[in-house]
Amino acid sequence: NAGVTQTPKFQVLKTGQSMTLQCAQDMNHNSMYWYRQDPGMGLRLIYYSASEGTTDKGEVPNGYNVSRLNKREFSLRLESAAPSQTSVYFCASSRDRVYSGANVLTFGAGSRLTVL
Amino acid sequence: QKEVEQDPGPLSVPEGAIVSLNCTYSNSAFQYFMWYRQYSRKGPELLMYTYSSGNKEDGRFTAQVDKSSKYISLFIRDSQPSDSATYLCAMSARSGNTPLVFGKGTRLSVIA
Repeated sequence: NAGVTQTPKFQVLKTGQSMTLQCAQDMNHNSMYWYRQDPGMGLRLIYYSASEGTTDKGEVPNGYNVSRLNKREFSLRLESAAPSQTSVYFCASSRDRVYSGANVLTFGAGSRLTVL
Repeated sequence: QKEVEQDPGPLSVPEGAIVSLNCTYSNSAFQYFMWYRQYSRKGPELLMYTYSSGNKEDGRFTAQVDKSSKYISLFIRDSQPSDSATYLCAMSARSGNTPLVFGKGTRLSVIA
């Protein structure tokens, strides 16, 4: 059982380049999330999707776009990468809808992005 | 004031020590409280999950919630080098439109 799979694991970009981080889960979860984690800042929510076909902004959405392609897949796109977007990105999923209290997240292994 | 405050550490203890990790929060609507453990270069994984106030024990780990003080704790007994990780508290309201709110995490090192 793979859980939450993120690709790529590592990526180096130049300022202004674009890229898409891919995420897939095989647990039939309803909700999916993208976080970034930076030293001293903790986990910050970028975007989330409560169900297939819906997406909402989190705490730090500027510079990112997302697509909930189907129930399994949730991608994060950087249209014009900036050095401030250098971070570790985590995708997560949860069985219960995002508005429920019982919101246990399963995380992927992370994608390390460096923007030069 | 941040919704969830957590001392980032780092915290270094000898093997066998009792470790206490803590978070405070400001939103009285929070009802579900979790602790995630994150090993270096890995994703966070759920460690403990409690609802409302009280204690929950799982092996060497005990989670406590004091809603009157808006304070949660994670105790680790007989700490082991394999417990060395970053511990993140997280919480959510019973209902509403806000996803899980995380603390910044406390880095723990258990020295053999």
